[in-house]
Amino acid sequence: QQQVKQSPQSLIVQKGGISIINCAYENTAFDYFPWYQQFPGKGPALLIAIRPDVSEKKEGRFTISFNKSAKQFSLHIMDSQPGDSATYFCAASRGSSNTGKLIFGQGTTLQVKP
Amino acid sequence: DAEITQSPRHKITETGRQVTLACHQTWNHNNMFWYRQDLGHGLRLIHYSYGVQDTNKGEVSDGYSVSRSNTEDLPLTLESAASSQTSVYFCASSETGQETQYFGPGTRLLVL
Repeated sequence: QQQVKQSPQSLIVQKGGISIINCAYENTAFDYFPWYQQFPGKGPALLIAIRPDVSEKKEGRFTISFNKSAKQFSLHIMDSQPGDSATYFCAASRGSSNTGKLIFGQGTTLQVKP
Repeated sequence: DAEITQSPRHKITETGRQVTLACHQTWNHNNMFWYRQDLGHGLRLIHYSYGVQDTNKGEVSDGYSVSRSNTEDLPLTLESAASSQTSVYFCASSETGQETQYFGPGTRLLVL
């Protein structure tokens, strides 16, 4: 059973455009929602993360929007650049219980065209 | 600089052989994790450890084992490799009380 569902599977955006990736989760006990970025041939790296006590978190061009009632969260990449072309994974965990176990979404491959 | 390394980076083996993938981290992190990455499935947790002599099964642990004899290393063993275990394997670590996981570069395994 997939506890975190991610869409779309792939995304093509023009340079300067907005990239939006969505995730939905099932377990209401999740309280930590990170996004990881992965370049080809590399391991994933933490990009940005949010907890359910806030509805939005912004770091530079990257913003997480969080809707607790809908059990959904999304990543917005403003002014998308070719260097943002990568695979993005959303994830969730019960961070407060300190288990550290992440449940990942299926991943979205983003291509930003020059 | 502290880092997490995996070896080998690429491995081809035959069905039925035992294979061990190495993971070594120099952050002195207590928590270590093994994931497999497959298209359409994202990353799925195989095994994890919260410290020396501690190991736990993850979502897809069948056919895999781990052991933790020191803080730095968590080797992953495929007891009898199967074609279904062809995948990219990632090791990760995190500090106790911190959610951020740091991933290694991955090992691409092909089981023929």
